[in-house]
Amino acid sequence: ETGVTQSPTHLIKTRGQQVTLRCSSQSGHNTVSWYQQALGQGPQFIFQYYREEENGRGNFPPRFSGLQFPNYSSELNVNALELDDSALYLCASSSGQRSYEQYFGPGTRLTVT
Amino acid sequence: AQSVTQLGSHVSVSEGALVLLRCNYSSSVPPYLFWYVQYPNQGLQLLLKYTSAATLVKGINGFEAEFKKSETSFHLTKPSAHMSDAAEYFCAVSGEKGKSTFGDGTTLTVKP
Repeated sequence: ETGVTQSPTHLIKTRGQQVTLRCSSQSGHNTVSWYQQALGQGPQFIFQYYREEENGRGNFPPRFSGLQFPNYSSELNVNALELDDSALYLCASSSGQRSYEQYFGPGTRLTVT
Repeated sequence: AQSVTQLGSHVSVSEGALVLLRCNYSSSVPPYLFWYVQYPNQGLQLLLKYTSAATLVKGINGFEAEFKKSETSFHLTKPSAHMSDAAEYFCAVSGEKGKSTFGDGTTLTVKP
């Protein structure tokens, strides 16, 4: 059984650019949630995908968007990057529509300059 | 609405001493509560969870937490700290569709 994997590990982008982060869910899991963790803070919920449909969204602007694929892997896209988007982006997978027990990936460290 | 407050952003204990990390929550629906641990440059690892069964929950690495509805608390304890317990700890509540809310974390330092 493979765990949650994320790519890339680290990424440096320039303000105004676009970025795509990827997540492969744990085997058997059909739900993926994305979180943003700024330095020194707890993770903030961005959105969740269940069976390829968005299943809840946090207080993030529309330039944060996502996709879930038939194999339940997922992408997080961020357009028009801002300096405050610099953070650790965490993906978590779970089974079912409610995130009772989530398994987190190692994260992608995004730096916006 | 749901929220989590972790009291004390930094806790320092001696090796072998009791660990107590405090978490208070609010939720408009019956909550599911979690404690996670995060080591530097890593993701979050689930320590334990409360899902409306027993109020005293035992987790991995000797940690346990007690759900107290009257106090809206879910404090994390470990009888004897080990050097390897030094990490960041997050309390989280999940009660609304598709959303988990995390506290700001408590950094645990263990002194030899």
